[in-house]
Amino acid sequence: DAKTTQPPSMDCAEGRAANLPCNHSTISGNEYVYWYRQIHSQGPQYIIHGLKNNETNEMASLIITEDRKSSTLILPHATLRDTAVYYCIVNSNSGYALNFGKGTSLLVTP
Amino acid sequence: DADVTQTPRNRITKTGKRIMLECSQTKGHDRMYWYRQDPGLGLRLIYYSFDVKDINKGEISDGYSVSRQAQAKFSLSLESAIPNQTALYFCATSDRVPGQGPPLNEQFFGPGTRLTVL
Repeated sequence: DAKTTQPPSMDCAEGRAANLPCNHSTISGNEYVYWYRQIHSQGPQYIIHGLKNNETNEMASLIITEDRKSSTLILPHATLRDTAVYYCIVNSNSGYALNFGKGTSLLVTP
Repeated sequence: DADVTQTPRNRITKTGKRIMLECSQTKGHDRMYWYRQDPGLGLRLIYYSFDVKDINKGEISDGYSVSRQAQAKFSLSLESAIPNQTALYFCATSDRVPGQGPPLNEQFFGPGTRLTVL
């Protein structure tokens, strides 16, 4: 599975959009991009996933570059409850479980 | 009620003791997983099971064993606990992957068990 690189921490003002980047320059054609988040030692929570098209759900949007070497998770209107560690994960069809890195610690401030 | 439950939620034990962590799910999923998380790090896979008769080692299985008693239950055992097994342990479940589409369906995590080995 491809390795991912995320900034260790980011800040965002409440109500503003939070844009969390992820680099996966070694991604291969059959690998999907997944995003999970973990709020203060709780169990991780699935957010969204995508292959090559941009995706949106009730929680967030996922923008994947055309060459698929990077992606951005967008929380359109961040709230204090979005403060968490966000994990970008890349998995192939042969992957059997999620490969978590250290993620990005997002702090949403009032 | 929670879909994925873990017991106990907290446990303090001594070196050399046998410990069992239990996980139950009501989601009807075939696949179950055990992860551990050390402070400041992401989760690492210990064992996973794709059905009752299919159990596989993950990245860090040494010192651990598992039992899949039923579709809904997946237990993790530490036969002889040691201090470096102090960590936060998570159980997770996911549905069977269909023939096409993403390789991994959404995983649902339990609340975690905080284990301290003295």
